[in-house]
Amino acid sequence: AQSVTQPDIHITVSEGASLELRCNYSYGATPYLFWYVQSPGQGLQLLLKYFSGDTLVQGIKGFEAEFKRSQSSFNLRKPSVHWSDAAEYFCAVGANFGNEKLTFGTGTRLTIIP
Amino acid sequence: DAGVTQSPTHLIKTRGQQVTLRCSPKSGHDTVSWYQQALGQGPQFIFQYYEEEERQRGNFPDRFSGHQFPNYSSELNVNALLLGDSALYLCASSPDLSGNTIYFGEGSWLTVV
Repeated sequence: AQSVTQPDIHITVSEGASLELRCNYSYGATPYLFWYVQSPGQGLQLLLKYFSGDTLVQGIKGFEAEFKRSQSSFNLRKPSVHWSDAAEYFCAVGANFGNEKLTFGTGTRLTIIP
Repeated sequence: DAGVTQSPTHLIKTRGQQVTLRCSPKSGHDTVSWYQQALGQGPQFIFQYYEEEERQRGNFPDRFSGHQFPNYSSELNVNALLLGDSALYLCASSPDLSGNTIYFGEGSWLTVV
């Protein structure tokens, strides 16, 4: 069975500082990996996804993520955070192509301080 | 082009009652999935509908049921509500079963008292 671990429940960074959110997954085959962001009281917005090819994936809002098969990781990064980035971030893994079921991690809450 | 729309946005029900939540997928999308997100948790997969049939189901009891209509819209029904059913219910749609492009709605907040 697939699973996702986001080891950091809450992260606080200063505005303008760099950010890295960690995600580790467990899945037997090639995973389909996603990062979503959720603002308070809102639904999920897709930041980026990895299906195959280049292991460094660019997303919206200046985010990027790197797939490392050897470490079973898909960490999300941003070189300089903005106050508007404060939100909950979820990593998710999908199963075989043709299967839409996503398994989510428990999320990382990002707080930005001035 | 409207995205995934869900209704109602908020509702309060009493323990033991039944609730129906509705979802209209993004235009051109024929696959709908439902997720439950309890407070402070990540979304949990409930089930998926494609061509009006339930294709996959997560680890949820039979009190949770659904339906997909010919226009691809979908309903989630929960019977005999428990306090633990209080959560945000998210609908997701995609243009096929590939999972390539999945869009989520804003969700329906259900509070059971």
